[in-house]
Amino acid sequence: QSVLTQPPSVSAAPGQSVSISCSGSTSNIGTKDVSWYQQFPGTAPRVVIYDNNERPSEIPARFYGSKSGTSATLAITAAQTGDEAHYYCGAWDSSLNTWVFGGGTMLTVL
Amino acid sequence: QVHLQESGPGLVKPSETLSLTCTVSGASTTAYYWGWVRQSPGKGLDYLGYVYHTGATNYNPSVASRLSMSIDTSANQFSLRLTSVTAADTAVYYCARLSTIFGANFDQWGRGILVSVSS
Repeated sequence: QSVLTQPPSVSAAPGQSVSISCSGSTSNIGTKDVSWYQQFPGTAPRVVIYDNNERPSEIPARFYGSKSGTSATLAITAAQTGDEAHYYCGAWDSSLNTWVFGGGTMLTVL
Repeated sequence: QVHLQESGPGLVKPSETLSLTCTVSGASTTAYYWGWVRQSPGKGLDYLGYVYHTGATNYNPSVASRLSMSIDTSANQFSLRLTSVTAADTAVYYCARLSTIFGANFDQWGRGILVSVSS
């Protein structure tokens, strides 16, 4: 059972928008910065959102992060088949004094 | 360009010690925090811990009693030791840089190394 809760899977048609939720608590998302990671099969994860809503320069503007209270959301507009991957949220947890990841969400675009 | 490369044995016997090293290029280990994340087959990401250039460490409580991390800034490397391994420790082990400049995040990752625990 992960400290951060994500839906196991989400799906979208090509060109549609899709969002992935990440639910936590006051000891992590509520008071700490959230980051999101994209992982394709057989490859290492890469950060797509950091500091709740910032994108690395190489990540398309279609990827958008937000946070409200103890929940965070990764939104992808105009989803593409190339966006099919697992997505993980992550944050520091001040009560556990450790980093925590969500269980991961598989995005299917079809 | 920052590059991280894991190295170590791909097979470890049960009850023995798993040792891995991460070699960093394109960045100095005297800055940032340097961490390890593992992923069991078909499972999600599991944070193990980090080491700072001062030698300060943080470990996931779930493995803290078996885990130690160290850093060699002169070689630009950091290492992980996990003792008394079992089949449950079979996973791909990633080394990663933990940046805290703009919100804490793992901004650079190695390609990962598969470590199997089996007799």
